[in-house]
Amino acid sequence: DVKVTQSSRYLVKRTGEKVFLECVQDMDHENMFWYRQDPGLGLRLIYFSYDVKMKEKGDIPEGYSVSREKKERFSLILESASTNQTSMYLCASRDRVFGGYTFGSGTRLTVV
Amino acid sequence: GQQLNQSPQSMFIQEGEDVSMNCTSSSIFNTWLWYKQDPGEGPVLLIALYKAGELTSNGRLTAQFGITRKDSFLNISASIPSDVGIYFCAGQRSGGSNYKLTFGKGTLLTVNP
Repeated sequence: DVKVTQSSRYLVKRTGEKVFLECVQDMDHENMFWYRQDPGLGLRLIYFSYDVKMKEKGDIPEGYSVSREKKERFSLILESASTNQTSMYLCASRDRVFGGYTFGSGTRLTVV
Repeated sequence: GQQLNQSPQSMFIQEGEDVSMNCTSSSIFNTWLWYKQDPGEGPVLLIALYKAGELTSNGRLTAQFGITRKDSFLNISASIPSDVGIYFCAGQRSGGSNYKLTFGKGTLLTVNP
């Protein structure tokens, strides 16, 4: 089975800190995605990467950046964390043939 | 970004009851997917549908790909407490940016034992 691993389940950071959320997949998938999930708003796409060093903005990229230096790893960066970035962050990778996503277990980030 | 219209937003049912939820869109999709998210976890794929009119089962779950390609439904029969969670539909187009899924906002299911 494909495994998508997010490095932290829970994080608490202070306002203004630079925050790194890491995601690793083990199935050589080209496409990877970062979403945030908030009650009543569903899953909102922040950034995605369709290959190494390639990235595109999603629907809500403001305040975030990403890095994809290796195929298996996709990092989400909060340049200067703010309280409105408190959320559940989900990473996913996509199988080219099947097309569906496999999600990680999520990182619940609290910015205080 | 576009989201699918998923209903109902939430359901509170008794154990043993059947459940039905659906997703509609103003545009056509070539693949429909249904995910379940347990509390505190990431979504997990339940059923994938690839053909208009397709009806697929996975245990007590049954999903259908609407013949117009603009809708899909998910049924759960004889619900049990572990069915609790958020159910998401997702659609995918082919061609162009075909690697992106469009998600519904989810249906929160609560099962009373």
